[in-house]
Amino acid sequence: QVQLQESGPGLVKPSETLSLNCTVSGGSIRNYYWGWIRQPPGKGLEWIGYMYYSGSTNYNPSVKSRVTISVDTSKNQFSLKLTSVTVADTAVYYCARATTVTHGDAFDFWGQGTMVSVSS
Amino acid sequence: DIQMTQSPSSLSASVGDRVTITCRASQSISTYLNWYQQKPGKAPKLLIYAASSLQSGVPSRFSGSGSGTDFTLTINSLQPEDFATYFCQQSYGTLITFGQGTRLDLK
Repeated sequence: QVQLQESGPGLVKPSETLSLNCTVSGGSIRNYYWGWIRQPPGKGLEWIGYMYYSGSTNYNPSVKSRVTISVDTSKNQFSLKLTSVTVADTAVYYCARATTVTHGDAFDFWGQGTMVSVSS
Repeated sequence: DIQMTQSPSSLSASVGDRVTITCRASQSISTYLNWYQQKPGKAPKLLIYAASSLQSGVPSRFSGSGSGTDFTLTINSLQPEDFATYFCQQSYGTLITFGQGTRLDLK
């Protein structure tokens, strides 16, 4: 069974960089897309972006100028960096595996989520 | 961007009821539509992919239908563990978007 686990600081200051890692266990990081989705408190889900294990990326235009997703196949990990954060970036951040199904991409395995607050 | 609109935003039902949640896309998305269940404090769980295919391990009381712009998630014979929030998600375009969610609670 594939498992994902997010790690990183729970508090980031405004204008600084949010950095999270996601460790994948129980399966290889190869041959899949790996992505990040966030959920502000009490609100819905926002897709941030994803990256194929070999390097191609797709980002949400709402954060594209500030976001980088990278994959480390040697560690079976992938990461998120979001620069110049504001209070609007406060959310639970989930890492997830995207599987290409018969039509489109579905997120079939998720991490438990990690709360990141942006505050001075 | 493709906007996804769910209705209702919330509904109350009883154990044993049949409920239907609707998701409408702002443009045709063929069957590039997935459904998720989320319980408080937990990550979403994939229920249905490609509009009508049941994810492995998901009970058969869950079903999905639709194509183009209109989709439905149906839960037959509600069980206590089904009270949760449900989200639709499209992946037709390069920008993946979710519906705003439908909260299902116990009447």
